Amino acid sequence: GAVVSQHPSWVICKSGTSVKIECRSLDFQATTMFWYRQFPKQSLMLMATSNEGSKATYEQGVEKDKFLINHASLTLSTLTVTSAHPEDSSFYICSASGFVNSGQPQHFGDGTRLSIL
Amino acid sequence: KQEVTQIPAALSVPEGENLVLNCSFTDSAIYNLQWFRQDPGKGLTSLLLIQSSQREQTSGRLNASLDKSSGRSTLYIAASQPGDSATYLCAAPGGGADGLTFGKGTHLIIQP
Repeated sequence: GAVVSQHPSWVICKSGTSVKIECRSLDFQATTMFWYRQFPKQSLMLMATSNEGSKATYEQGVEKDKFLINHASLTLSTLTVTSAHPEDSSFYICSASGFVNSGQPQHFGDGTRLSIL
Repeated sequence: KQEVTQIPAALSVPEGENLVLNCSFTDSAIYNLQWFRQDPGKGLTSLLLIQSSQREQTSGRLNASLDKSSGRSTLYIAASQPGDSATYLCAAPGGGADGLTFGKGTHLIIQP
């Protein structure tokens, strides 16, 4: 149980393109989803917290107008990288949790490797 | 703000050895701590979750301990195998709405 599916796995696109990444909880309802980013040889950094039906909360330094997050249902959150540039090339990974502050683990997707040419 | 530090950054040992990976965190008001494994170019594999009320958690050859008072956790790997080669990440709540804060990881190589 507790499977999180992330799509697509790989994206290669031209500079200026907008890219949408989907994160789905397949067998549980995720009231909260998290988006992380990992640059080469770095660890994962939290970008934003997404709660179903409300606006996402962004970490300091993350541009909310560039990284649009939508969490319209209890099983789906999307991250859209708008007008992507080469510096946005990174590994993006989502996680989902049924209830935060409950001691339940976060379950991670397999990540999306984004390359902007 | 939570900060997570992992020591050592890299470790290379012959197979069969027992290993200890260390993790320290600054904010001890956590309700759990997770250890993950990441293979090159891949996502995360959850290894162990320790609740704040627990001191240890075991899965196969892996054992993780948690000492909240000192802000430390260790991951013990028994009888290491080449297939254990990966980066091991420690993560504690402390990001926005308790998103996870990750350490930089320990890059482990087990020599055949």
